[in-house]
Amino acid sequence: SAVISQKPSRDICQRGTSLTIQCQVDSQVTMMFWYRQQPGQSLTLIATANQGSEATYESGFVIDKFPISRPNLTFSTLTVSNMSPEDSSIYLCSVEGLQGGRETQYFGPGTRLLVL
Amino acid sequence: SQKIEQNSEALNIQEGKTATLTCNYTNYSPAYLQWYRQDPGRGPVFLLLIRENEKEKRKERLKVTFDTTLKQSLFHITASQPADSATYLCALEYGNNRLAFGKGNQVVVIP
Repeated sequence: SAVISQKPSRDICQRGTSLTIQCQVDSQVTMMFWYRQQPGQSLTLIATANQGSEATYESGFVIDKFPISRPNLTFSTLTVSNMSPEDSSIYLCSVEGLQGGRETQYFGPGTRLLVL
Repeated sequence: SQKIEQNSEALNIQEGKTATLTCNYTNYSPAYLQWYRQDPGRGPVFLLLIRENEKEKRKERLKVTFDTTLKQSLFHITASQPADSATYLCALEYGNNRLAFGKGNQVVVIP
């Protein structure tokens, strides 16, 4: 299984500011995913980030609000821009499974964000 | 609209008994369905995957069934242990390896 780390693990931010979350994997992977988990809600996919191409965003999420970088096969960043209290959530990255099928996903520990 | 429904009430179960969780979905046609475990403050951990042409899948004390006619999956933990206490998430594939998750169902195993 892949080892995935995220930075920061948590942060408290002021509204109107932006935060960039990093996701580092210990193996090369093609597909990386970014999710949001709001309190009491399900994990919701924000976008799929493949190396060498633009991120693909799900309905309701736009690049201006959640710009994503994928500079290589082991790293990605998600920026939460112009934050409001509604952006308070846990943000998680995941990668495709390396063994036993690419359909499975391995998740990072998450970044807990509170916007005041 | 598309929905994935899991019981919002926590399942309290005596140690040694079988815990059974339900995942119902509408307006999805998943090629496969997965179950994940999530502990507080951690990311989900993959448990089992079952494909649309499979009826049942087992892994150690875990068993998953998948009924595409009923649009339902059942997740069983046999001989439950306090260490099984966690939230269990159902996830459906909806193209290009993307997953849609249910809200999860909390299981509490009482010693």
